[in-house]
Order: sequence, then C-alpha cells, then structure tokens
Amino acid sequence: DTGVSQDPRHKITKRGQNVTFRCDPISEHNRLYWYRQTLGQGPEFLTYFQNEAQLEKSRLLSDRFSAERPKGSFSTLEIQRTEQGDSAMYLCASSFPTSGTSGTDTQYFGPGTRLTVL
Amino acid sequence: GQQLNQSPQSMFIQEGEDVSMNCTSSSIFNTWLWYKQDPGEGPVLLIALYKAGELTSNGRLTAQFGITRKDSFLNISASIPSDVGIYFCAGPPNFGNEKLTFGTGTRLTIIP
Repeated sequence: DTGVSQDPRHKITKRGQNVTFRCDPISEHNRLYWYRQTLGQGPEFLTYFQNEAQLEKSRLLSDRFSAERPKGSFSTLEIQRTEQGDSAMYLCASSFPTSGTSGTDTQYFGPGTRLTVL
Repeated sequence: GQQLNQSPQSMFIQEGEDVSMNCTSSSIFNTWLWYKQDPGEGPVLLIALYKAGELTSNGRLTAQFGITRKDSFLNISASIPSDVGIYFCAGPPNFGNEKLTFGTGTRLTIIP
C-alpha cells in the first residue's frame, strides 16, 4: 500500500497523559500536513512541513502540541497533558509540489487517528 | 477567518436519484476541491477546479467553479449505495498557500 499511513488508528487516554501519533506520507511527497477534525465538522488545518521545515502553524496548535518531521519523511504529532477538548480525529496528508497555475497541490489524506480523552 | 458553508447539511435520497449540493464562501477562492469522506476514514479527493466557470466531470460526478469565485456546486447523477458519505468542499484561502479550509459538509444517505 503506497498511501498515507497513520498509527495508531485509535487512542484512548486519560486526561493529563501525553500521546504521540505518527504519520508516514506517500514516499517522495515532500509536503506533510496535520489537520484536526471534530465530530460533525470539516477538517481544520494545524500545521505543515516542507521537508523537515515546519512552515506554518495554526492558532489551534497550542503550546501543548508539537509536531516534528526530523528527516523529512515521517512526522509525529505529540499532545502533552491531554484535555477532553483534544478528543478528535487527527488527519495527516501529504503532497508533492506541482508546477503550473493551479497554486495548489493535491493533498492525499491518511485514515486518521481517533483520539478519545477520558 | 474564512468560512465555507455547505448546503444542504444532509440529504436523504433513493437510489438512482440525482443529487445537487453547493458550497459558498465569504471571500474569493482560486481553487475549489471536492472531497468525500467515509466513516472512520480520511477524505478522498473527487474533483479539483482551478478556473472560474470551469465545469469538470469525474464519472457520475460533475462540479462547477462559480463565476463569482465565491461558490461551487457538485452534482451526482444516478446515485448508488457507495455514494453514501460526507462530501466536503475545500480550498486554499490564498493563492499558493497550501493549507486547506474545509466546508461544513453535506451528509448523503440513501434510503432503501
């Protein structure tokens, strides 16, 4: 399977615990994105990387959240001191820059990690 | 921030019926994307639109980029059971900005 993969698919944790999610993008995709999706809503942008550089972070990404992409391949998203409001689906997407006038790469999404904070 | 509003919020149709849904924005978009999301899965890109007025088809799906650049439409003809899911419009808020803003979604249910 050459799509975007995420691990774990489901995570249940107690409030106050730290959690870490992993995303493996499509190989050769140098852009990687994290989104968060709560029930009944569309995905909301959190942050994105081009290679190992984190280029943009949303205001949604509080200081309890940190994302890394150390070698420009897989990425991790860590949430420290989880709160019940962190319960959501965390989606990862990857893309490869395309030339032309579209100005937008096609982002391919993984299956997501569903986090439940008790 | 920018918001994408989708209508209707949900649809209940019979198999074989045609479906129409739309997405409106408070500001101009230069690209419109339509995604479908199945339960427990990530969104899958259906159609991408890059020019105002553009009409693009993908099988039974047809999408249009509104002339005002503030709206887009998705039509599904002759719906089948696998069309069930949530449909999202999305787009980058600024040209060359890669993050996507997603709409509120339209949930499609097929009544047996």
